[in-house]
Amino acid sequence: GENVEQHPSTLSVQEGDSAVIKCTYSDSASNYFPWYKQELGKGPQLIIDIRSNVGEKKDQRIAVTLNKTAKHFSLHITETQPEDSAVYFCAASDSWGKLQFGAGTQVVVTP
Amino acid sequence: DAGVIQSPRHEVTEMGQEVTLRCKPISGHNSLFWYRQTMMRGLELLIYFNNNVPIDDSGMPEDRFSAKMPNASFSTLKIQPSEPRDSAVYFCASRRGQDAGELFFGEGSRLTVL
Repeated sequence: GENVEQHPSTLSVQEGDSAVIKCTYSDSASNYFPWYKQELGKGPQLIIDIRSNVGEKKDQRIAVTLNKTAKHFSLHITETQPEDSAVYFCAASDSWGKLQFGAGTQVVVTP
Repeated sequence: DAGVIQSPRHEVTEMGQEVTLRCKPISGHNSLFWYRQTMMRGLELLIYFNNNVPIDDSGMPEDRFSAKMPNASFSTLKIQPSEPRDSAVYFCASRRGQDAGELFFGEGSRLTVL
């Protein structure tokens, strides 16, 4: 089955700086790579996703890159703000839509 | 849209008791997922349904766990008998369609088994 590894487990950044989270996956059949943000006491919420026919996707301050050859993908958050503090999860999915999540990254943005 | 609704939000029970967690998916969504979240194991997929039919239950820990989806608007996850190691946050999520796409999560049910 699919195995997703995520690094780092914790990330502390100064407000205004960039944050980068990296994930690798094992199943070359995976073709859908979403990122979820989870705030305390809530369920995860999708913030951006990318499919295997695209190398990069951007939405305002958030961008995701995908390298299918190397089987890794990354989340980039620019100009971080305190409200970006949360746990971020990467995930990989095959065509059946079964999502395997990474272990999560606790991001803390300090003013 | 009300989103995915889970109940109860919190449950504290004693070892050996039966626990039933409930989920109402978003109307029109035909895929439903149950996840368990713990510090040690992260987010684990327990089971998922397409059009009320269980597709993959390979993540269900053992026979003490069972899940049903009697209709498109309701699902249950039952643990009988419960054990302290079942303590976790259980999330239900739904999705429109069977193919890969956005999962909408509920707010979770926090279970504590004493």
